[in-house]
Amino acid sequence: GQQVMQIPQYQHVQEGEDFTTYCNSSTTLSNIQWYKQRPGGHPVFLIQLVKSGEVKKQKRLTFQFGEAKKNSSLHITATQTTDVGTYFCAGRSRDFGNEKLTFGTGTRLTIIP
Amino acid sequence: GAVVSQHPSRVICKSGTSVKIECRSLDFQATTMFWYRQFPKQSLMLMATSNEGSKATYEQGVEKDKFLINHASLTLSTLTVTSAHPEDSSFYICSARVRERGLGARGYGYTFGSGTRLTVV
Repeated sequence: GQQVMQIPQYQHVQEGEDFTTYCNSSTTLSNIQWYKQRPGGHPVFLIQLVKSGEVKKQKRLTFQFGEAKKNSSLHITATQTTDVGTYFCAGRSRDFGNEKLTFGTGTRLTIIP
Repeated sequence: GAVVSQHPSRVICKSGTSVKIECRSLDFQATTMFWYRQFPKQSLMLMATSNEGSKATYEQGVEKDKFLINHASLTLSTLTVTSAHPEDSSFYICSARVRERGLGARGYGYTFGSGTRLTVV
């Protein structure tokens, strides 16, 4: 079945430094979504990328979808303590007519004040 | 925005008993609800997809007789963990597909319930 891997698994950065997480799918994706999960919380939708090579920005967050639509990245500029959490990418696919999300393995970001 | 209310948030039960988890879509109709399980420091694993008025579709390796899913209305889906054992202790989360602004006609995001932390002792 479809597998979605993320690297790194963990990232510790000083506040103010940049952060990047990479997402790789074993299959071509129709689109990819990104979620943030705070410790003890539930995933919160951040963004969806659909087009090959698409780049979207949300303030300090930059999301990119690869040309082959098999990989994606999330880059945070000048991290803040509020950025703490686990970032998941998720690929949408259809399996026998049923749509589902396959979540990546996640990257847990911790910030050193 | 669209909200999915999930209850209970935490439950501790004895081994062998059953636990029911409810997810309600508060301001929209959820024809499809997804149920996930998340073990500590791991990713979300899809357990099953429930469609209103029909049988749920279970992922490979998920026992449908153990994890009973009911989606009797457009606003309520339930997951019952039957004869729970300590290895069933986990974080269970439901989600529903919702339209997201700016994503166009095919732009869907998924809104998640707040999760249920199940501990079986």
